[in-house]
Amino acid sequence: EIVLTQSPDFQSVTPKEKVTITCRASQSIGSSLHWYQQKPDQSPKLLIKYASQSISGVPSRFSGSGSGTDFTLTINSLEAEDAATYYCHQSSSLPWTFGQGTKVEIK
Amino acid sequence: QVTLRESGPALVKPTQTLTLTCTFSGFSLSTSGMCVSWVRQPPGKALEWLALIDWDDDKYYSTSLKTRLTISKDTSKNQVVLTMTNMDPVDTATYYCARMLIRTTYDAFDIWGQGTMVTVSS
Repeated sequence: EIVLTQSPDFQSVTPKEKVTITCRASQSIGSSLHWYQQKPDQSPKLLIKYASQSISGVPSRFSGSGSGTDFTLTINSLEAEDAATYYCHQSSSLPWTFGQGTKVEIK
Repeated sequence: QVTLRESGPALVKPTQTLTLTCTFSGFSLSTSGMCVSWVRQPPGKALEWLALIDWDDDKYYSTSLKTRLTISKDTSKNQVVLTMTNMDPVDTATYYCARMLIRTTYDAFDIWGQGTMVTVSS
C-alpha cells in the first residue's frame, strides 16, 4: 500500500500570503496524484488532478506540481474562503490512499 | 448535472451489519469507464478509501477491511450499495460515495455526495 505523507499538518497564514503544501509518496506514482479541499462540515472538493491539471470552476490561485514521489499544492494570494483542510490522494495503485491532511487557518 | 446522495442508518449497534446506499444521477454505471467508490472519515480524522465498483462489475476493496465489505450495484436504479459487517465503535464516521472515471488510468474522485454520518454505539 502506498503511503502519502503531507507537510505541514497545520499552517496559519495571513490573507494574500502564498501557501505551499507538500505530499510525498512512499513509492513512485507517476502523476496520479490529486488534491482536494474540504471545508468544515462539507464533503471534499476536487481542486487539482494528475498533479497539475486544473479543474473547471476552481480559482486560478490554486496550482499543483510534481511527479514521481514529490508533489506540491500552491495557493497564491490566500483568501479567507480558502480556510480548509487539504488532502492529497493517489490513484496509481490500489488500494487508493489519502494523505493525513493539512489544515490551513487564516490569521 | 452529476449528483450522488448517501442514505442509511444514523445509528447501528456493535456487531451489526451496516448497509449504505448511494443513489446517483447524471451518469450511468453501465457506461464504460464509470466507477463509484466509498470513502469514510472518522470525526476529526483523515479520509479513508473503502471500496470501488466499476461499470464492468469489477470490485476492489481496502486491504484492511476487505473481509467485512461488500459493494454492489443496481444499474436500473442508479444505486450502489455498501455493506460492512461486524460494526465497531471505531467505524463511527461520515461515509461518502464519490464518482471516479477510468480514462487511460484511474482518474480522481470528481464528484462527491454530501456524506452520511454513522455512529456505532450500544
